[in-house]
Amino acid sequence: AQSVTQLDSQVPVFEEAPVELRCNYSSSVSVYLFWYVQYPNQGLQLLLKYLSGSTLVKGINGFEAEFNKSQTSFHLRKPSVHISDTAEYFCAVSEGGANNLFFGTGTRLTVIP
Amino acid sequence: NAGVTQTPKFQVLKTGQSMTLQCAQDMNHNSMYWYRQDPGMGLRLIYYSASEGTTDKGEVPNGYNVSRLNKREFSLRLESAAPSQTSVYFCASSWGRGNTGELFFGEGSRLTVL
Repeated sequence: AQSVTQLDSQVPVFEEAPVELRCNYSSSVSVYLFWYVQYPNQGLQLLLKYLSGSTLVKGINGFEAEFNKSQTSFHLRKPSVHISDTAEYFCAVSEGGANNLFFGTGTRLTVIP
Repeated sequence: NAGVTQTPKFQVLKTGQSMTLQCAQDMNHNSMYWYRQDPGMGLRLIYYSASEGTTDKGEVPNGYNVSRLNKREFSLRLESAAPSQTSVYFCASSWGRGNTGELFFGEGSRLTVL
């Protein structure tokens, strides 16, 4: 069975500082991995995804994530955050061939001026 | 470009009442989904429709029914609302199977059951 763990429910960080949001998953088969962002009172939108190939994936708004198969992780990073990055971030995983995306519980990123 | 449109955006029900959440997408997507979002629990899949004419249960289908009315529309019905169904509901769509492509989400419908 799949599961997704986002250990940090809240991450405060000062503007222009780097940030890492952690995501670990459990699955016995090959997986596809996603990060979504949810701005206040909006639906989710895709930041980036890993399907295959290079383990370093770049997304929108300067975010990137690295797939680490041995550690079953897919951490999200940004070298310098902006106030506008304040939002909730969800990691999601699916097994190849399945219709369902399993979402983590989310990490609320707050950028402090 | 509307994308995924959900109605209503807000609704308050009494226990035992019924209601239908409507969802429509204008991107010619094949697959559509209903999720619920609860604090500390992320998003959980209620039902999905891989293509027009098919529907399947997700993780938490109990207490809900769905109808894929046509390719554009996918509705979620609560026949007898319960306080445990207080949540924010999101409709989403994708070109095909959601696991390889991007899901496009609506803005959500906030439901309160008293």
